[in-house]
Amino acid sequence: GAGVSQSPRYKVAKRGQDVALRCDPISGHVSLFWYQQALGQGPEFLTYFQNEAQLDKSGLPSDRFFAERPEGSVSTLKIQRTQQEDSAVYLCASSLKTSGPRLTQYFGPGTRLLVL
Amino acid sequence: AQSVTQLGSHVSVSEGALVLLRCNYSSSVPPYLFWYVQYPNQGLQLLLKYTTGATLVKGINGFEAEFKKSETSFHLTKPSAHMSDAAEYFCAVSDFDGNKLVFGAGTILRVKS
Repeated sequence: GAGVSQSPRYKVAKRGQDVALRCDPISGHVSLFWYQQALGQGPEFLTYFQNEAQLDKSGLPSDRFFAERPEGSVSTLKIQRTQQEDSAVYLCASSLKTSGPRLTQYFGPGTRLLVL
Repeated sequence: AQSVTQLGSHVSVSEGALVLLRCNYSSSVPPYLFWYVQYPNQGLQLLLKYTTGATLVKGINGFEAEFKKSETSFHLTKPSAHMSDAAEYFCAVSDFDGNKLVFGAGTILRVKS
């Protein structure tokens, strides 16, 4: 079946531009997660949703970062007034379960953002 | 706070040799532990995970890992490396609800012919 998809796969933005990154989770998956992966590092948690509710946004690095999932399916990560330090791969993951040992996060291919 | 340390940012083995990738974690609560693999331009793929029960966990592609609480380790092994194993491997930890993965910095595995 179809996995998690993300678009665009690559995005080049000029410093100060706003960008929007899209995530389509696996159909029927309740939980959705965003991670940021800087070059040469492991992914870092940004935020997660259970259906349309954003339950944890503790990893968002600044108020320029905003995520939404209005209908409990597709999610958008928006970055306002992009800065060079925002350059990274943004990974989305989804899970059928909401918590516990049977929760497995399935990752998309990521969006590589380069801010010039 | 939870954290993960992966010893060795690069590991090189010969085809057919043992693969050993090291992972140590820090957690104030009983952890869930994971190994993911990332191929170039692809997303993370789950190799295996430990939640409760048997401490030796078998995963896909012949990989396995052993949870050792006394050593706070979760090292990944494979008896015989294959060229297709060349990739970057990430160890991760979460608390009991599994919702917030904390990853290590990753280990790039190179397999020599």
